Amino acid sequence: EDQVTQSPEALRLQEGESSSLNCSYTVSGLRGLFWYRQDPGKGPEFLFTLYSAGEEKEKERLKATLTKKESFLHITAPKPEDSATYLCAGGGYGQNFVFGPGTRLSVLP
Amino acid sequence: DTAVSQTPKYLVTQMGNDKSIKCEQNLGHDTMYWYKQDSKKFLKIMFSYNNKELIINETVPNRFSPKSPDKAHLNLHINSLELGDSAVYFCASSPGLQETQYFGPGTRLLVL
Repeated sequence: EDQVTQSPEALRLQEGESSSLNCSYTVSGLRGLFWYRQDPGKGPEFLFTLYSAGEEKEKERLKATLTKKESFLHITAPKPEDSATYLCAGGGYGQNFVFGPGTRLSVLP
Repeated sequence: DTAVSQTPKYLVTQMGNDKSIKCEQNLGHDTMYWYKQDSKKFLKIMFSYNNKELIINETVPNRFSPKSPDKAHLNLHINSLELGDSAVYFCASSPGLQETQYFGPGTRLLVL
């Protein structure tokens, strides 16, 4: 059964303190690994799609990387406005699109 | 210029009632989805429509019935609402299957 897990469940950082979020996946025939950001009371907002191991994508303070078993979302020098829940999802064969439970990030000023 | 919109935003109703949630996308996408996000914030896919055809119907009670009048709209009708149906329901769309999905703002359903 396809599965996506994320760690840690919650993360508190001081402003400027860099860290990484982990997404581990077992998805048959992975066709894409997706990262989203979700703010309270809102829908998930698309961040990145990664298609193959070794691929990296960057956007402002965020960088996503992909290996054959996991993906990392690196946050460099975070700001309070980066506080949100970060979701990853795997899309594989058979139209499966499985979301992980998310990591709740809090960045304190 | 909202890409994916849902109505209503909030829905409070009694057990046993029937209700509908509407979704519209103006992105020209071929595929639309319904997700349920429970109190633990887990997003779980319910249905997927590709070019107006049902592609995925996960283990969802048959009280839930999606209807797609055209490629831009995917509505969700729920019969005989139960307490456990209380959740946030998200609509999403993508250019095609397994492509990046774009989400609506969600409909918060509370069944009393």
